[in-house]
Amino acid sequence: GAVVSQHPSRVICKSGTSVKIECRSLDFQATTMFWYRQFPKQSLMLMATSNEGSKATYEQGVEKDKFLINHASLTLSTLTVTSAHPEDSSFYICSAIGPAETQYFGPGTRLLVL
Amino acid sequence: QKEVEQNSGPLSVPEGAIASLNCTYSDRGSQSFFWYRQYSGKSPELIMSIYSNGDKEDGRFTAQLNKASQYVSLLIRDSQPSDSATYLCAVNPGSGTYKYIFGTGTRLKVLA
Repeated sequence: GAVVSQHPSRVICKSGTSVKIECRSLDFQATTMFWYRQFPKQSLMLMATSNEGSKATYEQGVEKDKFLINHASLTLSTLTVTSAHPEDSSFYICSAIGPAETQYFGPGTRLLVL
Repeated sequence: QKEVEQNSGPLSVPEGAIASLNCTYSDRGSQSFFWYRQYSGKSPELIMSIYSNGDKEDGRFTAQLNKASQYVSLLIRDSQPSDSATYLCAVNPGSGTYKYIFGTGTRLKVLA
């Protein structure tokens, strides 16, 4: 149990385009999900907290207009990277609060912006 | 500022030995504690959670919590090369947001 999926697992896009990443809790409902970013050999960096039915809460320094988060249902949160640039290339990982109020991570999405 | 500290390593242990990973946290009011394993290029995977002082065992893994000293540790018995990964300590400060504070991780290398 407590499985979180992400789609796509890998995406390559041109600079200036937008990319949407989906995060789904497959066998539980999650009112709270989180979005992280991780650069090579660096620590997880929390970008935002996604709450079902309300606006996301962004961490300091994260541009909310660039990283649009929508948590429209209890099993789905989406992260849209708008007007992506090469510096947005990273490993994006979501997590969801599941059983026993524990964070369960998705497998991650590797974004490469050319 | 609430912090979670881990030695970055690498911690090298021979195959079959016990690996001991340690973590300290600053917020005395923290409620729950977690260990995640992250292989290179992959996302974190939950290994164990612990909520009360003492030891909690799950297979080859034992988590230890000492709230008075504000530390949590993870012991891996009979270490295998497949255990080589970065181990992340995470603390839920209990603010109601479920926003964990993660340590920077300890890189473990199990030598065959």
